Amino acid sequence: NAGVTQTPKFQVLKTGQSMTLQCAQDMNHEYMSWYRQDPGMGLRLIHYSVGAGITDQGEVPNGYNVSRSTTEDFPLRLLSAAPSQTSVYFCASNSRTAKGDSSGNTIYFGEGSWLTVV
Amino acid sequence: AQKVTQAQTEISVVEKEDVTLDCVYETRDTTYYLFWYKQPPSGELVFLIRRNSFDEQNEISGRYSWNFQKSTSSFNFTITASQVVDSAVYFCALRHGSGNTGKLIFGQGTTLQVKP
Repeated sequence: NAGVTQTPKFQVLKTGQSMTLQCAQDMNHEYMSWYRQDPGMGLRLIHYSVGAGITDQGEVPNGYNVSRSTTEDFPLRLLSAAPSQTSVYFCASNSRTAKGDSSGNTIYFGEGSWLTVV
Repeated sequence: AQKVTQAQTEISVVEKEDVTLDCVYETRDTTYYLFWYKQPPSGELVFLIRRNSFDEQNEISGRYSWNFQKSTSSFNFTITASQVVDSAVYFCALRHGSGNTGKLIFGQGTTLQVKP
């Protein structure tokens, strides 16, 4: 019963380095998203995907790339890390609401990835 | 514009006190969903409740209760007889519009400290 799995949990990067945060879900959810959490600002949406091959930008997409080659995986790439990208990153997934179902559904979050850029 | 405001940055109570966490939201949509999440010191996000805009019934789950009032655009969360284990950051969030994309707008969070 893995749910949403993020790796790594902790990472320290040097400015300018690149890296990929991995996210995988085993619930066959269509929708996946990435958020970052900064003190006093709650969580903000970086990128999201409504299905394999489809991605779009959220509120704070600059400096990040995503791709969705499979339903299960939604990696987040930092192309050239900057100290401003020091944050906690959360991946989330949820299924498409069944047609006619107005109850909404639960959004499942991973356990978070703590990233420090020095 | 869509927005969620949690005006209380930090709240400190003594165990067994009741405490209410405020959440005010802004949206022009008629269909939307509101959520509360708990983030304990370990860091994960724990889902507490989801409420859609057509259901204004208040909900009680054990020591937790939620008061949804569309007239004031508020979705407040009350913990009755607080316990030390309730110490956490609590987030209110809004999912707006049609579709179920998982795009949430979060409030800034309220840090609750329950002292023994």
